[in-house]
Amino acid sequence: KAGVTQTPRYLIKTRGQQVTLSCSPISGHRSVSWYQQTPGQGLQFLFEYFSETQRNKGNFPGRFSGRQFSNSRSEMNVSTLELGDSALYLCASSYRQGATEAFFGQGTRLTVV
Amino acid sequence: DQQVKQNSPSLSVQEGRISILNCDYTNSMFDYFLWYKKYPAEGPTFLISISSIKDKNEDGRFTVFLNKSAKHLSLHIVPSQPGDSAVYFCAASAWGNTGNQFYFGTGTSLTVIP
Repeated sequence: KAGVTQTPRYLIKTRGQQVTLSCSPISGHRSVSWYQQTPGQGLQFLFEYFSETQRNKGNFPGRFSGRQFSNSRSEMNVSTLELGDSALYLCASSYRQGATEAFFGQGTRLTVV
Repeated sequence: DQQVKQNSPSLSVQEGRISILNCDYTNSMFDYFLWYKKYPAEGPTFLISISSIKDKNEDGRFTVFLNKSAKHLSLHIVPSQPGDSAVYFCAASAWGNTGNQFYFGTGTSLTVIP
């Protein structure tokens, strides 16, 4: 069974640009969550999607948005990039909402210059 | 506001000895706790979990202890092996939450010295 796949693995963008990250969950998993990891901050919850609907949202500005498709694949978009957006973005999938375990992808390392 | 805290950024232990990683939380509504292990350039992988109705859960060399009154949990690794060297994150969630939001600590980097 394939794991959670995130693309691309690495990305370099310029301040002010926008970026789209992709996440394909484990087959059969319908819940996808996104996290931002920065040094000293641990993993900060961005949002969660289930059945194409955003169910939960963390404390991030509106520049961070996402969506989920009917096949459960999810995309995350960050507009008007700032230097502080440089981080590892992790996607996690679960079989259902409220599941007690989430499976993470390898992440996308975003560098904003 | 960090609801889950790991106050030790790093820990070094000799191979064969016990590693104890600590985690504190502030939200009394949390009732499910997990530990994840993360190697560089990889996503976190689930290690072990515990429900608030228990105070101990064991899986091989890994044991998680929960002290609800102190809002504290710990992960014991016995015996520690060099392959255990990684960053360990504790996470917490509230059952009945409408979503899958886990609150993570900032991580503890464990180094097991051969």
